[in-house]
Amino acid sequence: DVKVTQSSRYLVKRTGEKVFLECVQDMDHENMFWYRQDPGLGLRLIYFSYDVKMKEKGDIPEGYSVSREKKERFSLILESASTNQTSMYLCASSLWSREETQYFGPGTRLLVL
Amino acid sequence: QKEVEQDPGPLSVPEGAIVSLNCTYSNSAFQYFMWYRQYSRKGPELLMYTYSSGNKEDGRFTAQVDKSSKYISLFIRDSQPSDSATYLCAMWVDTGNQFYFGTGTSLTVIP
Repeated sequence: DVKVTQSSRYLVKRTGEKVFLECVQDMDHENMFWYRQDPGLGLRLIYFSYDVKMKEKGDIPEGYSVSREKKERFSLILESASTNQTSMYLCASSLWSREETQYFGPGTRLLVL
Repeated sequence: QKEVEQDPGPLSVPEGAIVSLNCTYSNSAFQYFMWYRQYSRKGPELLMYTYSSGNKEDGRFTAQVDKSSKYISLFIRDSQPSDSATYLCAMWVDTGNQFYFGTGTSLTVIP
């Protein structure tokens, strides 16, 4: 059974703070993804990674960076949090050979004050 | 125009009803079609996926793809209150590893 875990379920930060969101998967998946989910906008891809130390920008990378030092771990970093980054953040992973099936973590609800 | 269009609802049906959820898309290159179910305050979970036109059944759920019309559907038979969730369609094409989601349809099944 695939398990994707995220470090926090709820997070409250202040404007300008640096924020780290951690994601870990235990199924040796090559691909990992970070999305944000907002009402009326659905899921939007921020960044994805298809290998250790590799990263690709998604649709909305501005204001975010990522780190993949180990295969099982993919971190999303908000360098200087802003109120418009208040959102639900979802991590997902998939096998290289089965890229079309992504498995999601429970999500982190981030509030930036 | 969005790559994937999905009616957000909300949709409210009585228990036992047949539910039809739909998405349209504009990119004829999409190869895989998925339906995810998302309960409140949880991450999406993969419900069904298919890569060909036609129907695919799994218990009370049927996924239907019509590539000529660029239209996909998810049917839920004998709907249950536990089916109350948001349903997201998703589509994938391997060029650039592009993955597109609909905005989700909120479904409530009333006992």
